[in-house]
Amino acid sequence: DAGVIQSPRHEVTEMGQEVTLRCKPISGHNSLFWYRQTMMRGLELLIYFNNNVPIDDSGMPEDRFSAKMPNASFSTLKIQPSEPRDSAVYFCASSPGRLSYTDTQYFGPGTRLTVL
Amino acid sequence: AQKVTQAQTEISVVEKEDVTLDCVYETRDTTYYLFWYKQPPSGELVFLIRRNSFDEQNEISGRYSWNFQKSTSSFNFTITASQVVDSAVYFCALSEGGNAGNMLTFGGGTRLMVKP
Repeated sequence: DAGVIQSPRHEVTEMGQEVTLRCKPISGHNSLFWYRQTMMRGLELLIYFNNNVPIDDSGMPEDRFSAKMPNASFSTLKIQPSEPRDSAVYFCASSPGRLSYTDTQYFGPGTRLTVL
Repeated sequence: AQKVTQAQTEISVVEKEDVTLDCVYETRDTTYYLFWYKQPPSGELVFLIRRNSFDEQNEISGRYSWNFQKSTSSFNFTITASQVVDSAVYFCALSEGGNAGNMLTFGGGTRLMVKP
């Protein structure tokens, strides 16, 4: 079975440009998570969805970041305008249940974003 | 205070040595889950194991074993007869019951280097 799919795998852009990261969760999974990984802060949860509805976006760093989940098989994380400090690896993860603490999250391969 | 502490930031061993990665957690919940993930040099996050707070039995999977001790709030991971392919960053994570949904709190990770 296919795992979580993320695209692009690598993105290099210039400061001020809009960046869109994409994620396809595992089929049948009800919850989707966006994380950011940096050397300084480790893995941080940005936002998560359950049944396509955003549940908690308190981890989104600022208004430049937005996330959507228009349907059960697709989500986007958008940064507009991008800044060099946004450079990080962005992971998408999905889990099968309804936000139960018992669920295992399965991660995608990540998107390495570099903002020049 | 950190909820998940991986005090060893980096460990270096020679192939075939046994190595233990420490994980100490903090929670007030009586129901919770603990996880280990592996992040190889290629960058993806790979799920290894999930353990619930009511099951203190040790788990063994091939060369991998996990020791869960509630008395010391620890969930340590041992690799027996390490191999070069075990080189990776390993993350311990906590998922708490109550109203936390299945938000994962990650430790800072331990980088394991296995030298031939």
